[in-house]
Amino acid sequence: GEDVEQSLFLSVREGDSSVINCTYTDSSSTYLYWYKQEPGAGLQLLTYIFSNMDMKQDQRLTVLLNKKDKHLSLRIADTQTGDSAIYFCAETTGGGNKLTFGTGTQLKVEL
Amino acid sequence: GAVVSQHPSRVICKSGTSVKIECRSLDFQATTMFWYRQFPKQSLMLMATSNEGSKATYEQGVEKDKFLINHASLTLSTLTVTSAHPEDSSFYICSARPEGSNSPLHFGNGTRLTVT
Repeated sequence: GEDVEQSLFLSVREGDSSVINCTYTDSSSTYLYWYKQEPGAGLQLLTYIFSNMDMKQDQRLTVLLNKKDKHLSLRIADTQTGDSAIYFCAETTGGGNKLTFGTGTQLKVEL
Repeated sequence: GAVVSQHPSRVICKSGTSVKIECRSLDFQATTMFWYRQFPKQSLMLMATSNEGSKATYEQGVEKDKFLINHASLTLSTLTVTSAHPEDSSFYICSARPEGSNSPLHFGNGTRLTVT
């Protein structure tokens, strides 16, 4: 199947780290992505990782990929209130052109 | 770079009318664009793949006669929701990537369609 699963909700305090997890099923995915969606807005590409990488860091964002377990995570360091949004992981399927999205994780950052 | 522009951002129409949504790649060319649909509090589902100069490829369960897609140039794809009904109310988002690249998909800001 092509189900991509995420936990629905995560609440953290401002300044703490957030870790959003994603489990995918298509082992042939070449890229895995993290997108951010704020209320009423489109999707903003945050970062992505190629399938032959284990980790990628970009400023406050760290992506970890465990291909064996088909597990992807996004760590946001020093989480701010502006990070409150829904985060979607996505994998490439169908030869690389299709994106299958996860269910989305609502991140709430509290003061 | 790689900016995708979508218009309009919000539209309200009466049941039975048709609505056209435009998706433009502003600084790159794309022979392929993708149209997604998102219901409230749900994830995005791929509706169809828009192919420049040829017919769109629709996902299973998506009515091609209801969701007309035209990709007349390398920078523009349009989605027309024909004879709209309240159940078509949704958030429609397009995406594209620069031609010939393996870069990630970039998304427009979406169009919120409300059918009354």
